[in-house]
This record gives sequence, structure tokens and C-alpha cells, in this order.
Amino acid sequence: GAGVSQSPRYKVTKRGQDVALRCDPISGHVSLYWYRQALGQGPEFLTYFNYEAQQDKSGLPNDRFSAERPEGSISTLTIQRTEQRDSAMYRCASSPRTGGHYNEQFFGPGTRLTVL
Amino acid sequence: TQLLEQSPQFLSIQEGENLTVYCNSSSVFSSLQWYRQEPGEGPVLLVTVVTGGEVKKLKRLTFQFGDARKDSSLHITAAQPGDTGLYLCAGGDSNTGKLIFGQGTTLQVKP
Repeated sequence: GAGVSQSPRYKVTKRGQDVALRCDPISGHVSLYWYRQALGQGPEFLTYFNYEAQQDKSGLPNDRFSAERPEGSISTLTIQRTEQRDSAMYRCASSPRTGGHYNEQFFGPGTRLTVL
Repeated sequence: TQLLEQSPQFLSIQEGENLTVYCNSSSVFSSLQWYRQEPGEGPVLLVTVVTGGEVKKLKRLTFQFGDARKDSSLHITAAQPGDTGLYLCAGGDSNTGKLIFGQGTTLQVKP
């Protein structure tokens, strides 16, 4: 079956522009997580959703970052007025349950964002 | 703030050698997961440990959860070039499903 997909895979933008990153989770997965990952480092938590409800946005760096998942499926991470320090790999993951000990997260291929 | 420290950060060894990666925290986690990530790909789950003192084996990989559920280790026996990759530990919250990742251990196994 289809895994988690993200688009675009690569995004180059100029400083000050807004960008929208899309995540399409595995069908039926109820939870969706956004991470930012530097090369050779572990994913850094940004925010997550159970169904359409945003449960925790404590990892969002500042108010230029926002995320939504209006119908409990596809999610969009939006970065307004991008800055060079926003350049990173943005990864999305989904999981079939909202919690529990054995809640595996399935990761997408990521969107590589470069802000010039 | 919950943090997970992994060590070593980098490891380069010859094929056939054994190695251990450590994951430590001052916080208690309800579970500890280990992921492996290959270049250009997302992390893929290897194992989940839940009970303090639990040991799980996956072929040549042995995972252990500390008695106090604050630390974990991954031991690889007779490493092979195919084991090369970024190994990540992640502490889990069973109520939320949220994961906190360590900074990763980059393993290179030379033939």
C-alpha cells in the first residue's frame, strides 16, 4: 500500500516568501506528526494532530509557523515570511493510533526547504 | 524538557566487529523505540521496548531497556556494510503517542 507522501520534495524560495508544505498520511492513520530534521541529526518535534485537532504545537519555533489538518487527513505546514534559518528537511509521520506503547510512526520522504 | 542523549554520535568500524550504541535520559519514558534511517529516506522502526529490563533481539541486533526506563542500548554483533545508517532512539509517551528523538548515531561499516 501507499506510504506517507510529502510534496513538494524540494522547495527553493526567497527570503520573505511564504511556503506551504503538504503531507498525505497513510489512509486510515489518525495521528499526524511534523518534524524538522538537520542532516545527520534526529528529528525535532514541531507539532501533531489527532484526527483534525492540533494537540501540541509546542515545538513550532515561532508564530511564523502554523499547521492545519482540516479534514483529519492531509496536513499543511505553512511558514510565513521565510528566513534563511528555516532551511531544513521537514518530515511528516503518521500513526494508526493516538497513543499506546507500540504506536509506530511511519515517516514520509520529507521536503527539503532551501531559503535563499 | 525531556532530552535523549545518544553516544557515540559517529562510529566507523570494520565488517565483523561488534558495537554498542547508548541512549540516555534523566526522564522516564513509557516506551523506547529504535529507528534506522538510510540516506535520503525517512526513519524506519526497528523495535519498541516497554518494560524496564526488557531485552529484544532482531537477528544480529539486541536492544535493552534500562530497569528505570530512562536508558536503552543497541548492540550489533558482527556488523555488516548493510548495517550502515543513522540509528535513532526515541522516547515515547503512551498517552499522546508523541516521540522525543535522540540526536542519532551515524554508523559506517567498512567492508
